[in-house]
Amino acid sequence: RKEVEQDPGPFNVPEGATVAFNCTYSNSASQSFFWYRQDCRKEPKLLMSVYSSGNEDGRFTAQLNRASQYISLLIRDSKLSDSATYLCVVTHNYGQNFVFGPGTRLSVLP
Amino acid sequence: DVKVTQSSRYLVKRTGEKVFLECVQDMDHENMFWYRQDPGLGLRLIYFSYDVKMKEKGDIPEGYSVSREKKERFSLILESASTNQTSMYLCASSLFVPTSRDRDQPQHFGDGTRLSIL
Repeated sequence: RKEVEQDPGPFNVPEGATVAFNCTYSNSASQSFFWYRQDCRKEPKLLMSVYSSGNEDGRFTAQLNRASQYISLLIRDSKLSDSATYLCVVTHNYGQNFVFGPGTRLSVLP
Repeated sequence: DVKVTQSSRYLVKRTGEKVFLECVQDMDHENMFWYRQDPGLGLRLIYFSYDVKMKEKGDIPEGYSVSREKKERFSLILESASTNQTSMYLCASSLFVPTSRDRDQPQHFGDGTRLSIL
């Protein structure tokens, strides 16, 4: 079993839709959590950190459930520019280990 | 603003050549990483370094070596390039967090190098 798992998708949604991605991790010692987005043939870019209390950045909301070892990302009012692969990342060992999930592909359709 | 610079966006080399990929960051980060990314396989860690002259093997170090002589620069070396090393190579850096009470800082990536070995 992989340490970080995500639904690979693809998720095909119309503009304006709300879409949610899930991520589970197996290492209970994981310390920090992030969502990255990666456009085709580009590098991953930090989308947002994920805090225990949950956090929001505009149309994006991230949630963490340490008991269930589960992270989520909610995107409201999807835009065409949201089309990308979304990578869930967990860390441990004082930031020396970043474990990336396989990514979930999102296509927002006009 | 955070900046991680990789020396080449595209590189074509021949089988058996020694290949150097360079990465420089300007954020005074302690941690630096080299990954490769292949379709369907995601990001795989080759090597990382948490200090000058220090290095640790990642998940797939075979056929690679690294060098970190200065804090800002982390080089990936393909000792004798082979066709199965054709890939997208990504360098990243992050700040060291000294205590478990502090949040780990995210990685910042360079633009990537698309390496083709013929």
